[in-house]
Amino acid sequence: KQEVTQIPAALSVPEGENLVLNCSFTDSAIYNLQWFRQDPGKGLTSLLLIQSSQREQTSGRLNASLDKSSGRSTLYIAASQPGDSATYLCAVRPGETSGSRLTFGEGTQLTVNP
Amino acid sequence: NAGVTQTPKFRILKIGQSMTLQCTQDMNHNYMYWYRQDPGMGLKLIYYSVGAGITDKGEVPNGYNVSRSTTEDFPLRLELAAPSQTSVYFCASGARNTGELFFGEGSRLTVL
Repeated sequence: KQEVTQIPAALSVPEGENLVLNCSFTDSAIYNLQWFRQDPGKGLTSLLLIQSSQREQTSGRLNASLDKSSGRSTLYIAASQPGDSATYLCAVRPGETSGSRLTFGEGTQLTVNP
Repeated sequence: NAGVTQTPKFRILKIGQSMTLQCTQDMNHNYMYWYRQDPGMGLKLIYYSVGAGITDKGEVPNGYNVSRSTTEDFPLRLELAAPSQTSVYFCASGARNTGELFFGEGSRLTVL
């Protein structure tokens, strides 16, 4: 059974700092990995999707990497801003098809202090 | 582009009542999912569908039913509501070619 772990569970940083959020998974046979952001009381917003054949994806100040062999993904946030404060979740889609069920991590709650 | 739309956003039910949470997507996605999220907890899959007419159970299906008569709609039915079903419910749809998942804003349900 695929298990997804996110460390740390919570993180507080000053504005402007570069930071890394970690996601690890137990089964390297994945179809893709997706990072989401969730603001309090809101739904999940897709940030980055990395297919199993890719090593990284970038969007603005965000960069996500994937190392299947070690079962790890990182989300790098450059020059953090108070507006980045949210919970960040990673989700792994196992197997060989795009329709398989995702396994979510518990999330990292990020606070960026002005 | 509306994406994934859920209604209602908030609802209070009495124990034993029934209701349907509506979910519709306008992205022509094959895959649709219902999750619940309890306070401070992760997402748990209730039911999912890989296409019209096809549904399957997730991790926590008891007390719920779904149907998928069209590609766009995936309603979740709660029968005989119980306090344990107090939660935030999220509907999501997935693109077949990439597997990327898109979420609705959620429906907050309280059972008293």
